[in-house]
Amino acid sequence: DIQMTQSPSSLSASVGDRVTITCQASQDITNYLNWYQQKAGEAPKLLIYDVSNFGTGVPSRFSGSGSGTDFTFTISSLQPEDVATYYCQQYDSVPITFGQGTRLHIK
Amino acid sequence: EVQLVESGGGLVQPGGSLRLSCAASGFTFSDHYMDWVRQAPGKGLEWVGRIRNRANLYTTQYAASVTGRFTISRDDSSNSLYLHMNSLKTEDTAVYYCSRGYNFGYPLFDYWGQGTLVTVSS
Repeated sequence: DIQMTQSPSSLSASVGDRVTITCQASQDITNYLNWYQQKAGEAPKLLIYDVSNFGTGVPSRFSGSGSGTDFTFTISSLQPEDVATYYCQQYDSVPITFGQGTRLHIK
Repeated sequence: EVQLVESGGGLVQPGGSLRLSCAASGFTFSDHYMDWVRQAPGKGLEWVGRIRNRANLYTTQYAASVTGRFTISRDDSSNSLYLHMNSLKTEDTAVYYCSRGYNFGYPLFDYWGQGTLVTVSS
């Protein structure tokens, strides 16, 4: 199975800050990586697919980059509504696996 | 508008069975693979399994944790997806989500249902 190591597990930042989350795959997953946002009590929402493509209606302050085994998710200017848990996911091979999540708080 | 609506969750005793349903609308259901993902209380996301489309013979794949106990099926005539769960364990307690899977030209997991809670407890 491909292990997805996501960091940090928790993050606190101020409104307007640039926020970065990293995800490392245990083997090459080319560009088969998604990022999700999950707010409390809600289903996950696809933010970024295939490493760097925007999901439907996703604000441009969210972005993704990387290739192979190392990937980065960035919020360029943190907004109050961005409080959520963020997950990376690989779909290069079955079983599809997720990172353990990053819980994002506002200072 | 794409919609996925899960149902069928509830309280079941260990060793029991349950069938979850996912009603799909707003897209050509028969063209897409479909996936189930679960989330135990306070925990992260875990992929459960998938069913491919007719062109790929409706083949299925499962996570090791559910192989032999869970079965995914679909009815393209009614745009419905199912998760048949047998020999349930307390560790199967989770919110179960259906999600739209692979189809050429579409992102995977771009739409999710609201989830249905399964509680396995005596």
